[in-house]
Amino acid sequence: EAQVTQNPRYLITVTGKKLTVTCSQNMNHEYMSWYRQDPGLGLRQIYYSMNVEVTDKGDVPEGYKVSRKEKRNFPLILESPSPNQTSLYFCASSPTGASRTQHFGDGTRLSIL
Amino acid sequence: RKEVEQDPGPFNVPEGATVAFNCTYSNSASQSFFWYRQDCRKEPKLLMSVYSSGNEDGRFTAQLNRASQYISLLIRDSKLSDSATYLCVVNMWASSNTGKLIFGQGTTLQVKP
Repeated sequence: EAQVTQNPRYLITVTGKKLTVTCSQNMNHEYMSWYRQDPGLGLRQIYYSMNVEVTDKGDVPEGYKVSRKEKRNFPLILESPSPNQTSLYFCASSPTGASRTQHFGDGTRLSIL
Repeated sequence: RKEVEQDPGPFNVPEGATVAFNCTYSNSASQSFFWYRQDCRKEPKLLMSVYSSGNEDGRFTAQLNRASQYISLLIRDSKLSDSATYLCVVNMWASSNTGKLIFGQGTTLQVKP
């Protein structure tokens, strides 16, 4: 089954403790992206990747890192999480570029205390 | 001014009603436009792309007005299952194959029996 898989689905952690949210897609898509969704602000793009070893900042990249060493994986890293990063996070992928249909993962709900 | 703006609603309509949502965007060079649907706390899913000539998919009609920089979504004969948040999405760049998508904050529709 074609899908985008995020892990974990839920995480409660404390300020400053490094964490990684994994994202994996099995559709051989070139494009992958991370978003966060907050009430009243909608979905905002954090980082995106047009292909392996190619990443670029979205609109809210501060406090986040990403890597794209393999086509299928696009982990989101929070080196020193802070409470303002408490949010619902979505990973998405599409065949090429952002103009194509994006397939979203189920979401990861992060709470930083 | 937000890059993509939607009336957040909520729109409360009876079953069978026709309802229309508008979305305005700020970058006149934008090339790609979409409507996504998001059910509560779930991942967004593509409802339909929006083409310059307008397009229809069953009860749903999407239109683009480049001169006025707005996109619309019309839902005819509303069903209870149409209750969701509808996200307007724009690729803000002149090249349609780039990575940045901007999401509106969404318009909530509640269809009542």
